[in-house]
Amino acid sequence: EIVLTQSPGTLSLSPGERATLSCRASQSVSSSYLAWYQQKPGQAPRLLIYGASSRATGIPDRFSGSGSGTDFTLTISRLEPEDFAVYYCQQYGSSPFAFGPGTKVDIK
Amino acid sequence: EVQLVQSGAEVKKPGESLKISCKGSGYSFTSYWIGWVRQMPGKGLEWMGIIYPGDSDTRYSPSFQGQVTISADKSISTAYLQWSSLKASDTAMYYCAISLGGYGDYVFFDYWGQGTLVTVSS
Repeated sequence: EIVLTQSPGTLSLSPGERATLSCRASQSVSSSYLAWYQQKPGQAPRLLIYGASSRATGIPDRFSGSGSGTDFTLTISRLEPEDFAVYYCQQYGSSPFAFGPGTKVDIK
Repeated sequence: EVQLVQSGAEVKKPGESLKISCKGSGYSFTSYWIGWVRQMPGKGLEWMGIIYPGDSDTRYSPSFQGQVTISADKSISTAYLQWSSLKASDTAMYYCAISLGGYGDYVFFDYWGQGTLVTVSS
């Protein structure tokens, strides 16, 4: 069973700054089957990235994903006010398709 | 338009049974995996399991195997999550979600239901 860890737990930044979120897997994630989700309070999660680097439909290009093997990164190039939220990674290469514990991006 | 509409909030007592639902529309219900995700109050997302409504192939997380049952009725495009004996620790928001963009049984979730809040309290 693949376990995901995310760092940092909380990231305090200002609008306009760059955010770099890390997701590390306990074993290699096959074929880079790694997704990222954004969740705001009181809302269902929203898919941002799949296949480690492909943006989902309607996702702005300030969101980008990279990585392979066991190390993956979500980058938000310039934070907009609506980007302050919790971000989760998920691997879907090996069942169970677990989520990471999340990174909260809050306003500094 | 793809939609997943979940049943309403539930308040139950420990030991009671419960079945919550998720109705899909706007896509071919039998052709895509549908899954359930738990979110306990103030906590993160937990992958519970998935079902392929076309043939009822079901996969569970070891953490939830034996604790819940995932099923689907393709005649009414509805998936279910059920408990035979609820515990206070089952109190959580439960989301259903589907994978329209995945490959085979490599399943991420690109559409989500609105969530069903289950409260278990004596």
